[in-house]
Amino acid sequence: DAKTTQPNSMESNEEEPVHLPCNHSTISGTDYIHWYRQLPSQGPEYVIHGLTSNVNNRMASLAIAEDRKSSTLILHRATLRDAAVYYCILSVSGGYQKVTFGIGTKLQVIP
Amino acid sequence: DVKVTQSSRYLVKRTGEKVFLECVQDMDHENMFWYRQDPGLGLRLIYFSYDVKMKEKGDIPEGYSVSREKKERFSLILESASTNQTSMYLCASTVAPGLNTEAFFGQGTRLTVV
Repeated sequence: DAKTTQPNSMESNEEEPVHLPCNHSTISGTDYIHWYRQLPSQGPEYVIHGLTSNVNNRMASLAIAEDRKSSTLILHRATLRDAAVYYCILSVSGGYQKVTFGIGTKLQVIP
Repeated sequence: DVKVTQSSRYLVKRTGEKVFLECVQDMDHENMFWYRQDPGLGLRLIYFSYDVKMKEKGDIPEGYSVSREKKERFSLILESASTNQTSMYLCASTVAPGLNTEAFFGQGTRLTVV
C-alpha cells in the first residue's frame, strides 16, 4: 500500500492561513488523496479529496503537486475550532484495499 | 442528518469477558469498517465488510471477530477481552468500495478492559 508522511504537529495563529503538507512519493495513478480531521473526543470527519486537480470546498482547499507526490491542505483562515488532528490518506478507486490512517498532524491554533 | 451510531461511548469490561461493540448506520451504505485508535499509532483497521454476511480482515484482526447480519449493523466482537484491547474503537461506513468517497465515522467507544 502507498504510504503518506505528515509532520507530527503544526501551529498556526488564529485567522491566518494554514498549509498542512503531505508526502506520498509512492502514490499510484489510481490513488485518490483524501483528508480527514478529528476534533477532540470525536470520530474523524471528511474534509476533502482529489485525484489530480486542485479542489475547493466550503471547509478547505486541496493543492496537489503536478507529479502527485505531495499535496497540501489549505485552511484559508484558521479558527479555534480547526484545532484537530488532520489525516492524509490514499485510496484506490473501486478497490477494497485496507486503508489505514497514520498518526496525522496535530494542528494547534493560537488565539 | 446522516449518522453512524455506536451503542456506547464508554465501556468497562473484565478480562476474559465476551464483548460486543455495536454500530448502526442509517445511510444504506454497503461498506462498513471497524478501527481501533491508540496514542502514537493512529487508526488501524481491524475488519471491514462490503456486504451483508461478508467480511474481510484488516491489519490487526487477531483477537476480534465481526458480524454483519443486516446491512445497517456491523458488530465487533472480542471473544475473550484482554487488557491490551483497551482502546478507542471507531466504526465507519461508505457508499462506495474502500474509502473512495466520504466516510462517515461514529463518535467512538472507549473500551477499558480491567
